[in-house]
Amino acid sequence: DTEVTQTPKHLVMGMTNKKSLKCEQHMGHRAMYWYKQKAKKPPELMFVYSYEKLSINESVPSRFSPECPNSSLLNLHLHALQPEDSALYLCASTQLAGGRRETQYFGPGTRLLVL
Amino acid sequence: AQTVTQSQPEMSVQEAETVTLSCTYDTSESDYYLFWYKQPPSRQMILVIRQEAYKQQNATENRFSVNFQKAAKSFSLKISDSQLGDAAMYFCAYGGGNEKLTFGTGTRLTIIP
Repeated sequence: DTEVTQTPKHLVMGMTNKKSLKCEQHMGHRAMYWYKQKAKKPPELMFVYSYEKLSINESVPSRFSPECPNSSLLNLHLHALQPEDSALYLCASTQLAGGRRETQYFGPGTRLLVL
Repeated sequence: AQTVTQSQPEMSVQEAETVTLSCTYDTSESDYYLFWYKQPPSRQMILVIRQEAYKQQNATENRFSVNFQKAAKSFSLKISDSQLGDAAMYFCAYGGGNEKLTFGTGTRLTIIP
């Protein structure tokens, strides 16, 4: 089973709203990732959690706040977003943290529209 | 820093024919993995195939195979007997000595019935 799930599938929010994206995996993976993907572009790494601790933050604005409550769950809290934050947000996981050359398994993504 | 280059923004192939997607990369590392991911319009990134740099044998997964030329830093994907379901954006990616994947810019593959 190589399934990563993400909810919601679609999200529309205003610039003053607070919302959260959720990602879940039950493969026993110990590293989880958030990516942002604009149309016709490759994914851009935002955050990496290794063993439930934030290991990489790619200088993402503070209006994006990640959280890893346990080894299976990864959240991305959104607050005061801008229209340019509209994108597909992808979650991924790998078996080992410190993940040298590990295969990343991706979820189906959340399509976010900020009005 | 590693870079991955996909020089073909778009490709098309007749159904049942064979197509090759190109990828080159640049790295100073000796131990790494290379990946091809497929992203159909449904948008989920799906692993197609992966290659360990230390293996000389080219990876194969059913109709998908790679031509890995380590000295030339080339990693092309061959799709045989193309099917309508192969239509997607294909990303080449490099995984090296850290937790990051470096992606190419992608090749959009169209299958002509």
